[in-house]
Amino acid sequence: EVQLVESGGGLIEPGRSLRLSCSASGFTFGDYPMTWVRQAPGKGLEWLGFIRSKIDGGTTEYAASVKGTFTISRDDSKSIAYLQMNSLKTEDTAVYYCIRIISTGVRLVRGVLIRSYYFDYWGQGTLVTVSS
Amino acid sequence: QSALTQDASVSGSPGQSITFSCTGTSSDIGTYNFVSWFQQHPGKVPKLLIYHVNNRPSGVPDRFSGSKSGNTASLTISGLQAEDEADYFCSSYTSSSTWVFGGGTKVTVL
Repeated sequence: EVQLVESGGGLIEPGRSLRLSCSASGFTFGDYPMTWVRQAPGKGLEWLGFIRSKIDGGTTEYAASVKGTFTISRDDSKSIAYLQMNSLKTEDTAVYYCIRIISTGVRLVRGVLIRSYYFDYWGQGTLVTVSS
Repeated sequence: QSALTQDASVSGSPGQSITFSCTGTSSDIGTYNFVSWFQQHPGKVPKLLIYHVNNRPSGVPDRFSGSKSGNTASLTISGLQAEDEADYFCSSYTSSSTWVFGGGTKVTVL
């Protein structure tokens, strides 16, 4: 059974840093890209970034809103994905979800070959509250 | 990348069909067939309903169907049931190799 368990959330003061972890089990973690999404209280979903699998270079992409302050990494030997968040602000208060990404192959889109992905399993989320 | 635009709320009676939309741009929905829909009940984790515009994961009832035309994707729920009352979010891959979500549609079963 696929399981994703986030940890590391809690109450933190503005300006501080926090690292979230996402422990995976039930699948070969290293074969899958992973992504992080957050949801502020009573609000919608916000995509934060993703990390490709090592076979695709293990590179990362980020939403413009967090680029430069959030960093996603992975340790395939431990089946853990991380979200490092620096310079936290009150507006970063949210539930943070890690999600497994499924790749369905490569598609030719407007003359460019790209890998097609979708999000499938979501963790239960971890609440981060940024407040003084 | 701006969020996708979704109908704020939609309602219907049990047994009816409802359709709601998700509008993006030529940089996301208009170019890529990588549109997904997620269902979220209050206090619960979002659940994948549709991926790649119109594909259902195993276990998702065929009452749920997706489509796309131009820069707009749509989700149809046929034979609306009480348990379909939830928030629904769309997402799309973008030309920046990122993803973007819609603001969500609240579905109410009358």
